[in-house]
Amino acid sequence: EVQLVESGGGLVQPGGSLRLSCSASGFTFSSYWMSWVRQAPGKGLEWVANINQDVSEKYYVDSVRGRFTISRDNAQNSLYLQMNSLRAEDTAVYYCARESPFGDNSRYDAFDIWGQGTMVTVSS
Amino acid sequence: DIPMTQSPSSLSTSVGDRVTITCRAGQSISRFLNWYQQKPGKAPKLLIYAASSLQSGVPSRFSGSGSGTDFTLTISSLQPEDFATYYCQQSYSTPFTFGGGTKVEIK
Repeated sequence: EVQLVESGGGLVQPGGSLRLSCSASGFTFSSYWMSWVRQAPGKGLEWVANINQDVSEKYYVDSVRGRFTISRDNAQNSLYLQMNSLRAEDTAVYYCARESPFGDNSRYDAFDIWGQGTMVTVSS
Repeated sequence: DIPMTQSPSSLSTSVGDRVTITCRAGQSISRFLNWYQQKPGKAPKLLIYAASSLQSGVPSRFSGSGSGTDFTLTISSLQPEDFATYYCQQSYSTPFTFGGGTKVEIK
């Protein structure tokens, strides 16, 4: 079964750090771009960051650039998000998601596999 | 960043109704537009990719159309399991951006 399982969420004080993990199974993890997407309580979806297959490319949303670091270990089939200098506005469910190429010449990417999410709460 | 605007933000409708949700991109994104369904407490589920292609396993009552800046998700005959929140998302460029969501509720 194709699956993504996140872990590492919890309660952290403002300014603190947390490291999220995402374990992949059922597919060739090293062949895919991977993303983190978050959802604040009662709000919509926000893409956070992504990373390519060989770790040569990483992209971030402006609000986390310089504070969050995305990484992966293809040997361990794992994706990570190191979150530093956490703020109240980072409180959200964090999902890892697989980016799959679709369509003509595999031009069109979409998030076709999602984990169940892990909750991060930043509060004193 | 490319802003994505969905409308309406919510709608009340009945089983069997035809539902149309629109999504507008802040600039042309060709057909780099995806649609997701999310139910409370669950992860989003991919419905449509590349504006109009149905993801494997998704019922044919779901369809998508559009290109450039204006896109539409249509549910031809709403079923009880379709009551959920729907999001559009552009994959034209990073940062990938989502619409604000459309909550489809039971009338």
